[in-house]
Amino acid sequence: DSGVTQTPKHLITATGQRVTLRCSPRSGDLSVYWYQQSLDQGLQFLIQYYNGEERAKGNILERFSAQQFPDLHSELNLSSLELGDSALYFCASSVLGRGGQETQYFGPGTRLLVL
Amino acid sequence: QQPVQSPQAVILREGEDAVINCSSSKALYSVHWYRQKHGEAPVFLMILLKGGEQKGHDKISASFNEKKQQSSLYLTASQLSYSGTYFCGTEKAGGTSYGKLTFGQGTILTVHP
Repeated sequence: DSGVTQTPKHLITATGQRVTLRCSPRSGDLSVYWYQQSLDQGLQFLIQYYNGEERAKGNILERFSAQQFPDLHSELNLSSLELGDSALYFCASSVLGRGGQETQYFGPGTRLLVL
Repeated sequence: QQPVQSPQAVILREGEDAVINCSSSKALYSVHWYRQKHGEAPVFLMILLKGGEQKGHDKISASFNEKKQQSSLYLTASQLSYSGTYFCGTEKAGGTSYGKLTFGQGTILTVHP
């Protein structure tokens, strides 16, 4: 158990819908990272937040947005969902948000299925 | 740009050794290694920073050749619990890459009794 929690564990929805994925980082960690893992694209970095501020952006679609709240939990919002958005979405956290210089602890993931 | 891992898959018997390589075309600042079992989250193994360091953890070790932009993960005397997909995640050198890990496509390791 990494100490990072994600809800929900599974999500099934229809194309065109909007969903919100939630992540609580490990106690004391200030930074949250979001990743998407699909069979064809592998594990891809989406976005990083540090203490409420966006710090780095990766291959995140405009239909996707995220935020980190004062209590440090983070939400990833996915809208106008398409079949290709079906994937495992992982959240990871680290202490200082120094990107690749720190261990990132991964949550159990949210499996999204768009029908 | 995604780092390239080789081999794509390895099948071992318990007690055998394996090496997994991770190569990048870009100058790297750090390389992370993770193991992921099916349906589970990636689990951190180790980080190597530029400077050509080598690290070890139990019977798993890794090296980072900064000049070649290549890292290798060494698994010795493999155990059944080593089975899974191994990913390298790389951080490019340079300010705009801050916070971004780019992962390789993964190497599937299967250990049989």
